[in-house]
Amino acid sequence: QSVLTQPPSVSGAPGQRVTFSCTGSSSNIGAGYDVHWYQQLPGTAPKLLIYGNSNRPSGVPERFSASKSGTSASLAISGLQAEDEADYYCQSYDTSLSGSVFGGGTKLTVL
Amino acid sequence: EVQLVESGGGLVQPGRSLRLSCVASGFSFGDFAMHWVRQAPGKGLEWVAGMSWSSGTTSIDYADSVKGRFTISRDSAKRSLFLQMSSLRAEDTALYYCVKDFCSRTTCSSPTYYYMDVWGKGTMVTVSS
Repeated sequence: QSVLTQPPSVSGAPGQRVTFSCTGSSSNIGAGYDVHWYQQLPGTAPKLLIYGNSNRPSGVPERFSASKSGTSASLAISGLQAEDEADYYCQSYDTSLSGSVFGGGTKLTVL
Repeated sequence: EVQLVESGGGLVQPGRSLRLSCVASGFSFGDFAMHWVRQAPGKGLEWVAGMSWSSGTTSIDYADSVKGRFTISRDSAKRSLFLQMSSLRAEDTALYYCVKDFCSRTTCSSPTYYYMDVWGKGTMVTVSS
């Protein structure tokens, strides 16, 4: 069972907007630690998608956005494309565990 | 080009040991925090261990699931990160990724980990009799 909670799956049609949730607790997200998001395309290693709650690394399209509030964070993809079909993971730091923690991941299906 | 290349995975019997290696290139390896992250077949990501810098000294942390069995280490001269795994169990079966953290000796104080900006392709470890 993952420390951060994510829904197992999300789906949307091309062009739509989808959102992913990531729920933590008072020892991680709620303690003020930043949330980061990773995209894992099928058969590949994860890739950094969002860092510091809402910042996009160079090369990540503006269609990807994220925010954090309280003990939760969310990722949004607008203008959904077939190539966005992947697993998405949130990550933060947990002070009780003294280490990094991941969500269980959300599988995005583009209909 | 910033790159991480893992090696050392394979098939090992329960209770035995295995040592994973990761060679880094394209960045000042000795200055940055590093992690091992694993992914069991069909499952999500699990942070395993990390090495960072705290007040100029090395700080090491482990997930509870591997504490006392796994040891992370580095050889800066060889630009290499290692994971010594002992008393292996079936549940340790996974693809093990070597990962670079954003945090360096000078950029992070507390916590000493932040986000993971470079990932290797992984090396597969299968624990089975």
